[in-house]
Amino acid sequence: GAVVSQHPSRVICKSGTSVKIECRSLDFQATTMFWYRQFPKQSLMLMATSNEGSKATYEQGVEKDKFLINHASLTLSTLTVTSAHPEDSSFYICSAPRGFEAFFGQGTRLTVV
Amino acid sequence: GNSVTQMEGPVTLSEEAFLTINCTYTATGYPSLFWYVQYPGEGLQLLLKATKADDKGSNKGFEATYRKETTSFHLEKGSVQVSDSAVYFCALSARNAGNNRKLIWGLGTSLAVNP
Repeated sequence: GAVVSQHPSRVICKSGTSVKIECRSLDFQATTMFWYRQFPKQSLMLMATSNEGSKATYEQGVEKDKFLINHASLTLSTLTVTSAHPEDSSFYICSAPRGFEAFFGQGTRLTVV
Repeated sequence: GNSVTQMEGPVTLSEEAFLTINCTYTATGYPSLFWYVQYPGEGLQLLLKATKADDKGSNKGFEATYRKETTSFHLEKGSVQVSDSAVYFCALSARNAGNNRKLIWGLGTSLAVNP
């Protein structure tokens, strides 16, 4: 089946620094990718839709300048958490749709200290 | 609008017990329905899916039938194992205003299976 690779799986960073998370579709092209955030014991919250070659579409309440998304190619989307703060600590997951299905990356556990 | 309602957890069962996790939906048009599973510390994996009414999705002993008349997609397994302990998410795929497919998620149901 289709594979989506997300990297890194875990990252610890200092407050005020920026962190980049990569999401790659390994065996198919994805013009659209989705970025989710998951809080403990809660469902996934869609943050934004990443569009290859154009600007990302952000969900209401998500700060565009804080969560920078770049979809540079048909197989790569990146999420950069800028000036991270402890409240940004969370589990971030990307997904890429193919047909009716969505394929998910392994997730990134971000801890801001 | 589109929405998914999933039974609240946590659900705790003994090994070999029967499992049902209820999921109902509201949707315009003809959505596809999914169950995803998230094992501790991992990302999500597709467990099973159904793309039209009366379809039955099945995988790893789990089953769910797309019931249009009751707008339901309940997940069942006849005999759970400790390794089934995870969080299960029901989801539907529908087209948004931009004609792009978007997943709508239930809140997830945590399952713990005791030996």
